Amino acid sequence: ETGVTQTPRHLVMGMTNKKSLKCEQHLGHNAMYWYKQSAKKPLELMFVYNFKEQTENNSVPSRFSPECPNSSHLFLHLHTLQPEDSALYLCASSQVGTDYNQPQHFGDGTRLSIL
Amino acid sequence: AQSVAQPEDQVNVAEGNPLTVKCTYSVSGNPYLFWYVQYPNRGLQFLLKYITGDNLVKGSYGFEAEFNKSQTSFHLKKPSALVSDSALYFCAVRDVIKAAGNKLTFGGGTRVLVKP
Repeated sequence: ETGVTQTPRHLVMGMTNKKSLKCEQHLGHNAMYWYKQSAKKPLELMFVYNFKEQTENNSVPSRFSPECPNSSHLFLHLHTLQPEDSALYLCASSQVGTDYNQPQHFGDGTRLSIL
Repeated sequence: AQSVAQPEDQVNVAEGNPLTVKCTYSVSGNPYLFWYVQYPNRGLQFLLKYITGDNLVKGSYGFEAEFNKSQTSFHLKKPSALVSDSALYFCAVRDVIKAAGNKLTFGGGTRVLVKP
């Protein structure tokens, strides 16, 4: 149990579908992250939220839309995805203070396959 | 800018032998350094971190890492590898300067295979 729960664990969708990935952290952290992990680029940071505010968008296409309603929950809304978007999507959380030296804690990811 | 390199895609070692996974980094100021491990079908698990102080850092599962500022390296080590250590290992860095925010930069990962 990592303290970060991601659902679903596996998702298969067509390019025209709309789906959402969910992440919940039970660690009392104030920052949450979305990463994409694929064979070509092992770990890419997508979005960062500090205290529910988005502070980083790493040039992610608009077909990925994040939402952070509170510091414990993070969503990634998906629409009109492309085959190259097939990957493992990882959520992480951390406690951010004045020194930013706390580790990030990861969920087990959602394996996304685009047909 | 901050970056990290893991020069080996894969490391093979016999069970019971020492294991070393290499990592070098580049930052503008001083680094915060982290090692993570990823087992199949799982997320990344935190192993250890270097913030300041003693250059030898001890972490989970018998792993340790040595910070070397002159060589800008942070190699992960284990004196006696186990078959269960077979996994994907990631090194990560964050520049101490506040402008870096809480953004970690990860290396490309090194796959470790420990053979019985």
